[in-house]
Amino acid sequence: EIVVTQSPATLSVSPGERATLSCRASQSVSINLAWYQKKPGQPPRLLIYNTSTRSTGVPARFSGSGSETEFTLTINSVQSEDFAVYFCQQYNNWPWTFGHGTKVDIK
Amino acid sequence: QVQLVESGGGSVKSGGSLRLSCAASGFDFSDYYMSWVRQAPGKGLEWISYISSKGTYIYYTDSVMGRFTISRDNTKNVMYLQMYSLRAEDTAVYYCARGRDVWGQGTLVTVSS
Repeated sequence: EIVVTQSPATLSVSPGERATLSCRASQSVSINLAWYQKKPGQPPRLLIYNTSTRSTGVPARFSGSGSETEFTLTINSVQSEDFAVYFCQQYNNWPWTFGHGTKVDIK
Repeated sequence: QVQLVESGGGSVKSGGSLRLSCAASGFDFSDYYMSWVRQAPGKGLEWISYISSKGTYIYYTDSVMGRFTISRDNTKNVMYLQMYSLRAEDTAVYYCARGRDVWGQGTLVTVSS
């Protein structure tokens, strides 16, 4: 099973600042990595797939990069609605696995 | 509009069974692979089962292998998760997902001893 590790566990940012979230896979997943936003009481929302492709309707302030084992989600100019938990997920090998999440909260 | 609605969750004793349903609407159900993903209280997300568009390919994560069965009825636009031998650690909100981009609101399964 591919282990996915996210860092940091919590990221405190002020509105308008940039947030950079990291995700590392225990072995290469090529570009088969997605990012989700999760808020309490809501289902996950797909933000990014194939490492860097924004899902429909996702604002341009969200961007993804990386390959193989190292990936990054960047939120430029964090807005109030962006405070949430973010999960990365690899879908290169079954079982598809998530990281434990990075909570982005208000500084 | 594109929608997934889960049902069938509830409270059950350890060792019991439940069947979850996921009703799809607003898209051609038979064109998409579907999955079940769960989130235990205060925990992360776990992708537990996958079924291909025609039901040809089915996968389970180790934690549910041999206890859960995924299936789909493309004539009714419904996916199912039959859960047997439930354990306390199966307590979670269960989401159905179309591919990776469309998710239901989830249904809560609580397993008590």
